[in-house]
Amino acid sequence: GIQVEQSPPDLILQEGANSTLRCNFSDSVNNLQWFHQNPWGQLINLFYIPSGTKQNGRLSATTVATERYSLLYISSSQTTDSGVYFCAVEDEGGSRLTFGEGTQLTVNP
Amino acid sequence: DTEVTQTPKHLVMGMTNKKSLKCEQHMGHRAMYWYKQKAKKPPELMFVYSYEKLSINESVPSRFSPECPNSSLLNLHLHALQPEDSALYLCASSQHPGTSGSRNIQYFGAGTRLSVL
Repeated sequence: GIQVEQSPPDLILQEGANSTLRCNFSDSVNNLQWFHQNPWGQLINLFYIPSGTKQNGRLSATTVATERYSLLYISSSQTTDSGVYFCAVEDEGGSRLTFGEGTQLTVNP
Repeated sequence: DTEVTQTPKHLVMGMTNKKSLKCEQHMGHRAMYWYKQKAKKPPELMFVYSYEKLSINESVPSRFSPECPNSSLLNLHLHALQPEDSALYLCASSQHPGTSGSRNIQYFGAGTRLSVL
């Protein structure tokens, strides 16, 4: 099956700092989603981005499908950005999402 | 509205109990999913229902029994669970299974946190 690797596994920032999270995947994808899991367990959709670039407020994401990676940018981080960020992909012809191991982000005041 | 509702939010059960988890969506989605998530690990797929039919069973033990009574509802029946089954159980839905484009975006519920004593 498709392999998904996220880096870094842990990231600690001061409020106001910027960060870049990376997701590498091993095969062509039909679907790539970035999620934020809050401390209560809710998986919040951030981006659906199998290719291209999108922006939503302080967050943006870029997927370079030909090189099999995606980046999530967080600017001017806030304490409420803390939590685990997951990248999940679905390979072409598949019907299941495979998740990376996640990046645990801690933003300190 | 992109809401998937799961009940209960928390559940504590003994190893001899029978209980059920419930998931509901009213977005007209035709695929529904159960995932299991252990602490500090990513969600792992358990079951996929496509047009109310079970299409994927990831070799889940028979003590977990899914049911899809209609296109809006998904249940997970639990019986004779083990302590290692304690986890966060997540339900998700997507518009059209196995398609490309934004119709296969998965939306997740808030989960049921299950403890087996």
